[in-house]
Amino acid sequence: EPEVTQTPSHQVTQMGQEVILRCVPISNHLYFYWYRQILGQKVEFLVSFYNNEISEKSEIFDDQFSVERPDGSNFTLKIRSTKLEDSAMYFCASTRGRGAGANVLTFGAGSRLTVL
Amino acid sequence: SQQGEEDPQALSIQEGENATMNCSYKTSINNLQWYRQNSGRGLVHLILIRSNEREKHSGRLRVTLDTSKKSSSLLITASRAADTASYFCATVNAGGTSYGKLTFGQGTILTVHP
Repeated sequence: EPEVTQTPSHQVTQMGQEVILRCVPISNHLYFYWYRQILGQKVEFLVSFYNNEISEKSEIFDDQFSVERPDGSNFTLKIRSTKLEDSAMYFCASTRGRGAGANVLTFGAGSRLTVL
Repeated sequence: SQQGEEDPQALSIQEGENATMNCSYKTSINNLQWYRQNSGRGLVHLILIRSNEREKHSGRLRVTLDTSKKSSSLLITASRAADTASYFCATVNAGGTSYGKLTFGQGTILTVHP
């Protein structure tokens, strides 16, 4: 079964450092997403991406965050200057965005970011 | 606004028993979904119910939706130890522009004892 893959599975970084989290969505999916889950809290929407641009973003997704699809397969989330409160599990997800199952997301296993 | 609040927060049952989890939400929705998350892993989609549907079944799962009460329930029948996980409801708002913008609840931690 096709899956969304994320790397790294765990990253530890110092406050103020830049972090790039990588995702390979399912190949025939058109919409890509990042969500995050702070330990013990809800899974929160960060950003959606379609046709090489951001289609929607949440209040959390401020200027410190950016997303990119640098080639035909990867989808990245960059945090420019990490803060302690950025420590969370970051999930990438994708969906076909058309027809039956358009709203059904396939999530990756997540990248755990720890900011010290 | 807080959307998709589940109860109970934790549920502990014996194998073979049924598990029922409830979810409430506040806005008009296009659909409501349930996801499962094993400890430290990603979310796996279980079932989707549209706003014009009242009940849906998938294997041992049964989902109901009451849009007048803005609530949903997930029933897992004949539970197994392997069903131990966290279960989240997630809503897609009506009129939303993003197909996959889900608003998740806090989740119910289900423990099934062998």
